[in-house]
Amino acid sequence: VIWMTQSPSLFSASTGDRVTISCRMSQGINSYLAWYQQKPGKAPELLIYAASTLQSGVPSRFSGSGSGTDFTLTISCLQSEDFATYYCQQYYSFPWTFGQGTKVEIK
Amino acid sequence: QVQLVESGGGVVQPGRSLRLSCAASGFTFSSYAMHWVRQAPGKGLEWVTLISYDENNKYYADSVKGRFTISRDNSKNTLYLQMNSLRTEDTAVYYCARDRAIEEMATLGSWGQGTLVTVSS
Repeated sequence: VIWMTQSPSLFSASTGDRVTISCRMSQGINSYLAWYQQKPGKAPELLIYAASTLQSGVPSRFSGSGSGTDFTLTISCLQSEDFATYYCQQYYSFPWTFGQGTKVEIK
Repeated sequence: QVQLVESGGGVVQPGRSLRLSCAASGFTFSSYAMHWVRQAPGKGLEWVTLISYDENNKYYADSVKGRFTISRDNSKNTLYLQMNSLRTEDTAVYYCARDRAIEEMATLGSWGQGTLVTVSS
C-alpha cells in the first residue's frame, strides 16, 4: 500500500492569497497523481490529473507540479469559491489511496 | 452530460447485507471503468473498488476485500456494489464514479452525489 502524507491539514487564507498544498508519497508513483476539490455536502470534483494536467473547465489559477514522491497543488489567487477541502490521490498502484485532505478556510 | 445516480443506501444492522446501485447516463457506459469511493461522516475519502470497462479486472481496498463485490450490467448502464457482513465502520456516504478515460484505469473523472449507508444496531 502506498501511504500519502498531505499537508497542511488546515490552511487559513484570504481572498487573493496564494495557497500551496503538499502531498508526499511513501514510494515513487511517477506522475500518477490527481487532485480533487470537495465542498460541504457535495461530491468531490477532479481538478488535476497526471500531476499537472488541468481537467477541462478548471480555472487556470489552479496548477499542479511534482513527480516521483513529492507533489504540490497551487492556487495562485484564491477566490471565494475556492474555500473547500482538497485531496490528493495516487493511481499508480492498487489499492488507490487518498491523502488526508486539506481544508482551506477563510482567515 | 454525465449523470450518475446512486441508490440503495439506508440503515442496516451489523452483519447484514446491502446492495447499492448506480444508474449511469450521458456517456457510453460500457467503455469506462467504474469505481466506488466512500466517505465516513466528517472524514476523508477512501477508494473502495474498481471494475474495468470489460469486467475482466476488479480491485478492492483491503478493508472490504472478501466482503464487498463490484459488478456491472452494461446492457442496463448500471453499476452495483454488493456489501456483505457489514460493520459499523462501513458507515459512510458511498459515491459512484466514472473513470476519467475510455478503456483505462486513469482516476476518477465524474462522480455521483452519493448514497448514505448507516450500519447500526
